[in-house]
Amino acid sequence: DAGVTQSPTHLIKTRGQQVTLRCSPKSGHDTVSWYQQALGQGPQFIFQYYEEEERQRGNFPDRFSGHQFPNYSSELNVNALLLGDSALYLCASSLVASYGYTFGSGTRLTVV
Amino acid sequence: KQEVTQIPAALSVPEGENLVLNCSFTDSAIYNLQWFRQDPGKGLTSLLLIQSSQREQTSGRLNASLDKSSGRSTLYIAASQPGDSATYLCAVRSFPTGANSKLTFGKGITLSVRP
Repeated sequence: DAGVTQSPTHLIKTRGQQVTLRCSPKSGHDTVSWYQQALGQGPQFIFQYYEEEERQRGNFPDRFSGHQFPNYSSELNVNALLLGDSALYLCASSLVASYGYTFGSGTRLTVV
Repeated sequence: KQEVTQIPAALSVPEGENLVLNCSFTDSAIYNLQWFRQDPGKGLTSLLLIQSSQREQTSGRLNASLDKSSGRSTLYIAASQPGDSATYLCAVRSFPTGANSKLTFGKGITLSVRP
């Protein structure tokens, strides 16, 4: 049973560019959340998708957007990249109203 | 606004020691609390999840307890091993669905177990 799959694992982008990160949830899960983890910090909630709609959003600017597809997979898009966007981006999936979240291995984004 | 604190930020112990990692949260109205392990540069591995109605959960050498009224949880690791070296994060979920069903994390405790 595959867990949460994220791609790519590492990415280097230049300031001002745009990036798309991808996530496939654990089999049977229908809710996908994205988190940003800066070095030495705990993960910070970006947003959550359920039924192809954004259900909650954390304190992140509109440069961060997302999408959920009918097969429950999800994308995180970041426009106009800043150096401060360099972080580990984690995807988590769950069943709505279930108990726990399952996390992927993350995508390490470096903005230069 | 829920805030989660984990102190100290780092801990170094000799192999074989029993240890306790602490987590505190400001709003006691939680749905559940989850402990995660994170190896350097890697994703999060769920260790234990405690529902708000539960007092503790156990898995192997790990035991997690929850005291909602005082806003505290502890992760007990018995007979620590060098392979336990990692960062341990606790995360609180305030609601099962909808707004505030997100996880609020502490900054983690980086554990080093010396051979």
